Amino acid sequence: AQTVTQSQPEMSVQEAETVTLSCTYDTSESDYYLFWYKQPPSRQMILVIRQEAYKQQNATENRFSVNFQKAAKSFSLKISDSQLGDAAMYFCAYRSAQGAQKLVFGQGTRLTINP
Amino acid sequence: SQTIHQWPATLVQPVGSPLSLECTVEGTSNPNLYWYRQAAGRGLQLLFYSVGIGQISSEVPQNLSASRPQDRQFILSSKKLLLSDSGFYLCAWSESGFINTEAFFGQGTRLTVV
Repeated sequence: AQTVTQSQPEMSVQEAETVTLSCTYDTSESDYYLFWYKQPPSRQMILVIRQEAYKQQNATENRFSVNFQKAAKSFSLKISDSQLGDAAMYFCAYRSAQGAQKLVFGQGTRLTINP
Repeated sequence: SQTIHQWPATLVQPVGSPLSLECTVEGTSNPNLYWYRQAAGRGLQLLFYSVGIGQISSEVPQNLSASRPQDRQFILSSKKLLLSDSGFYLCAWSESGFINTEAFFGQGTRLTVV
């Protein structure tokens, strides 16, 4: 079974600085998709960024980018120019490209932005 | 446009009572549907997912069950709640056949078993 691990329960960063959230996953599959979701205090889940495993190029979305290392099964999220609105729980997620389309999440990292 | 409705938003139930949480999706057909539980300050635990009517996959053996009586309706149930069933329950959907699309989540139900 696929598992997703986020080893940082909490992180903090100064406003306008850069922070990186870590995520590793375990799978025997070669084709899959990875996601980062944000959960603000409202608890509404919001997609931040996605990465297709077959693509070598790292995905970027404005201030958000990923470092995808397929061989190491690592998928970190970098937030540049951190803003107060970035404060939230961040979840890494994995979805297989074959068979059952279940979406598996990590334990989450709580990000605090210090003004 | 597609929308997902989940209710109730908050629920307080005594131990041993039954449970029924409902989730419906509008604006799409044959979606993949998911139920997750989030314990306080922790990650999302996948409970059930469904790729079609009557097709339910269970991830965690427990006293909860799920049903999909209609294409866009997903119900989470229990015959007798336990204290450990307390948590935040999230329903989600995604397009079937398009695996790289995101999952869209409902607003969640905060369940407190007393």
